[in-house]
Amino acid sequence: AQKITQTQPGMFVQEKEAVTLDCTYDTSDQSYGLFWYKQPSSGEMIFLIYQGSYDEQNATEGRYSLNFQKARKSANLVISASQLGDSAMYFCAISRGSTLGRLYFGRGTQLTVWP
Amino acid sequence: ETGVTQSPTHLIKTRGQQVTLRCSSQSGHNTVSWYQQALGQGPQFIFQYYREEENGRGNFPPRFSGLQFPNYSSELNVNALELDDSALYLCASRAILTSTDTQYFGPGTRLTVL
Repeated sequence: AQKITQTQPGMFVQEKEAVTLDCTYDTSDQSYGLFWYKQPSSGEMIFLIYQGSYDEQNATEGRYSLNFQKARKSANLVISASQLGDSAMYFCAISRGSTLGRLYFGRGTQLTVWP
Repeated sequence: ETGVTQSPTHLIKTRGQQVTLRCSSQSGHNTVSWYQQALGQGPQFIFQYYREEENGRGNFPPRFSGLQFPNYSSELNVNALELDDSALYLCASRAILTSTDTQYFGPGTRLTVL
């Protein structure tokens, strides 16, 4: 079974500072994908970043980067230069190629950015 | 904007009723998945449709059913509604056989069962 653990129910960061949101996963599969999504209070899940299990370099998308430590089964999201609009719920998710894209989500981390 | 739309935005039903939720996938995407997100939880996979057939299902009873149409739009049907069915229902579409397997979500339908 796939399992995603997000141990930080809430995080607070000051505007313009960097923040790291933790995610660990448990899978016996060799091929898998890791995702981070942002969910504002409106409810829509917004795709942020993807990391494949065979990717040797950490993924980056603008202010978002994924700190992928495969041996530790860790896929932390780093947001640089936080903005007030980054305040939202953040979900880590994993997919297996054999299940055609089914996503398994963690319970999320509520990020609050203050001025 | 993901190009994935859902209707209605909000819905209130009573226990025992039936409900149909609709999703229109992003252009070029041939696979649609449905997720249920209870308050304070991460989304839970309900099922996935590819080429108009269900090809994966999560731990949900048969009263949750779906359809995918040739134009890649989709429906989620829930019969005999229960109070615990109150949740945000999200659909997500993707183009199968892409390198990243990324799913793009719609804005969701918030269902309240009284």
